[in-house]
Amino acid sequence: SQQGEEDPQALSIQEGENATMNCSYKTSINNLQWYRQNSGRGLVHLILIRSNEREKHSGRLRVTLDTSKKSSSLLITASRAADTASYFCATDEGATNKLIFGTGTLLAVQP
Amino acid sequence: DAMVIQNPRYQVTQFGKPVTLSCSQTLNHNVMYWYQQKSSQAPKLLFHYYDKDFNNEADTPDNFQSRRPNTSFCFLDIRSPGLGDAAMYLCATSRDWAGDTQYFGPGTRLTVL
Repeated sequence: SQQGEEDPQALSIQEGENATMNCSYKTSINNLQWYRQNSGRGLVHLILIRSNEREKHSGRLRVTLDTSKKSSSLLITASRAADTASYFCATDEGATNKLIFGTGTLLAVQP
Repeated sequence: DAMVIQNPRYQVTQFGKPVTLSCSQTLNHNVMYWYQQKSSQAPKLLFHYYDKDFNNEADTPDNFQSRRPNTSFCFLDIRSPGLGDAAMYLCATSRDWAGDTQYFGPGTRLTVL
């Protein structure tokens, strides 16, 4: 079962602008992760936020988590052309030892 | 330094001809995963090993098998590839459980002719 739904499906911005992607999920979680995937490559872990955390920063990345709304957002500030990639949220599914990925947001940063 | 290595990066096979994809890790992680990812879709978990314990997803076709001979290596065998099996196959590892950070290999792009 695919737990995460992401919004928007695709996003095109200019270099220097901020990009915001949203993720919604269905069941309670222990943590939520964000991954990046460049075209034709594997996924790269960006950030993990635990269910008892509300906000986390890593460099130009800011992640928020609202467990009451079962949603998370990823903000990339001052975007660069190199940020062009697909971004996936992923949640652990209870005790089943599975990570369920969202549908992904395709981000295009125009130079 | 590469931590999760997949070979080959590109694999072309014929309809019905068995194929094996390999994955190795230098992280000494307990858990290894195989995902299938089709174009513009999210990765879909096929199965995973926790150490030597094999865990198959309910909707993974019988055509897909896996072996983990030791901690470092894991193989994905597709016994009779169909056209619908053409996809990117991603191997990943995590230290202990799915909620840990997963480390992905670069993937193997499988083409079925």
